[in-house]
Amino acid sequence: ETGVTQTPRHLVMGMTNKKSLKCEQHLGHNAMYWYKQSAKKPLELMFVYSLEERVENNSVPSRFSPECPNSSHLFLHLHTLQPEDSALYLCASSQVRDNGGTDTQYFGPGTRLTVL
Amino acid sequence: AQKITQTQPGMFVQEKEAVTLDCTYDTSDPSYGLFWYKQPSSGEMIFLIYQGSYDQQNATEGRYSLNFQKARKSANLVISASQLGDSAMYFCAMREVFQGAQKLVFGQGTRLTINP
Repeated sequence: ETGVTQTPRHLVMGMTNKKSLKCEQHLGHNAMYWYKQSAKKPLELMFVYSLEERVENNSVPSRFSPECPNSSHLFLHLHTLQPEDSALYLCASSQVRDNGGTDTQYFGPGTRLTVL
Repeated sequence: AQKITQTQPGMFVQEKEAVTLDCTYDTSDPSYGLFWYKQPSSGEMIFLIYQGSYDQQNATEGRYSLNFQKARKSANLVISASQLGDSAMYFCAMREVFQGAQKLVFGQGTRLTINP
């Protein structure tokens, strides 16, 4: 595997289900991101793990819970979602430099989530 | 807060013609980075080109070039000799400092269609 991979590619779930999205980066990066892409809206950052520290985005509902067990893997745990959470969820990774700057973010193919 | 504006919701171009996709930005930071990404119907965000605010030369990557006009705060993407495979959504993005980490702020995107 190369680049950034995401599984599953498509997910349909009911509002009472619990599911998890998985992201893995094979680029040796030290920062990983979750973005949400809804129809007719710009991509929105949900969470960042940078140098193993989690950066919160306070506007994200608690029904979304990220987990980053190591620098190569990122999960997004989903529970009691709403139909408006249906979207494309994109994972990205980048390298944080010693001076705090970051290089280009590289994205995975996304998980298209439908909440019924 | 930083802002990215893409004023062209859709563009239609004949194959082999050059096309310019517009992007204007707004920031008070003296140091910033601008990116263009391509998103085919498959969903993956593909990095195309990067321009740093202090770069003296306009960035180029193969058939892609960035027309960077700092005083006008514009960073238009130029695709030369367009191909059918260039049909996709194109997003302009700016890197923004976010709670000690960095994130990308995206525009609304432009849907480019290349006609044979």
